[in-house]
Amino acid sequence: ELKVEQNPLFLSMQEGKNYTIYCNYSTTSDRLYWYRQDPGKSLESLFVLLSNGAVKQEGRLMASLDTKARLSTLHITAAVHDLSATYFCAVDRVPNDMRFGAGTRLTVKP
Amino acid sequence: DTEVTQTPKHLVMGMTNKKSLKCEQHMGHRAMYWYKQKAKKPPELMFVYSYEKLSINESVPSRFSPECPNSSLLNLHLHALQPEDSALYLCASSDDRGLNIQYFGAGTRLSVL
Repeated sequence: ELKVEQNPLFLSMQEGKNYTIYCNYSTTSDRLYWYRQDPGKSLESLFVLLSNGAVKQEGRLMASLDTKARLSTLHITAAVHDLSATYFCAVDRVPNDMRFGAGTRLTVKP
Repeated sequence: DTEVTQTPKHLVMGMTNKKSLKCEQHMGHRAMYWYKQKAKKPPELMFVYSYEKLSINESVPSRFSPECPNSSLLNLHLHALQPEDSALYLCASSDDRGLNIQYFGAGTRLSVL
């Protein structure tokens, strides 16, 4: 059974600081996704990572994938308040069957 | 345009009611999905349609009945729901190839009284 584990589940950080969210998964998969969800809102796609060593960056967020370790990281650089949200990683169990981690609730404080 | 449109945005229903949730996309995507999301939890996959055929059914109770009338539309028919079915119901679509990124609608917030 595919398990997707994120940590930390809650993250409170100050503006300007850096931090990393970790996502471990239990079986091999073709794709690793990162999504953002604002309170009461839908999910927004951030990144999809396909291959070992893949790295993608958008603004203050950078995602990477190590398929051998079954680990993805989402690194936040110089956090700003607008990044406050819940971040989910997700993995395809089989094509079209995407399983989510529990989510990391990020709060960025002034 | 990466828009998935869901209606209604909010729905309150009694346990004896029959209602339907609707989802529409015009991105030419061939896979469409229903998810259930409880508060402070991740989305849970309910159903997947691929090329208008039900391809994944995650052992969802029969009081939830999906329907895919065509490649752009997805419905979720609700009947005799329980209060524990109250949740945010999210629809998504993807191109079923390549990156296969799922694009989500804004959701229907359902309350069962």
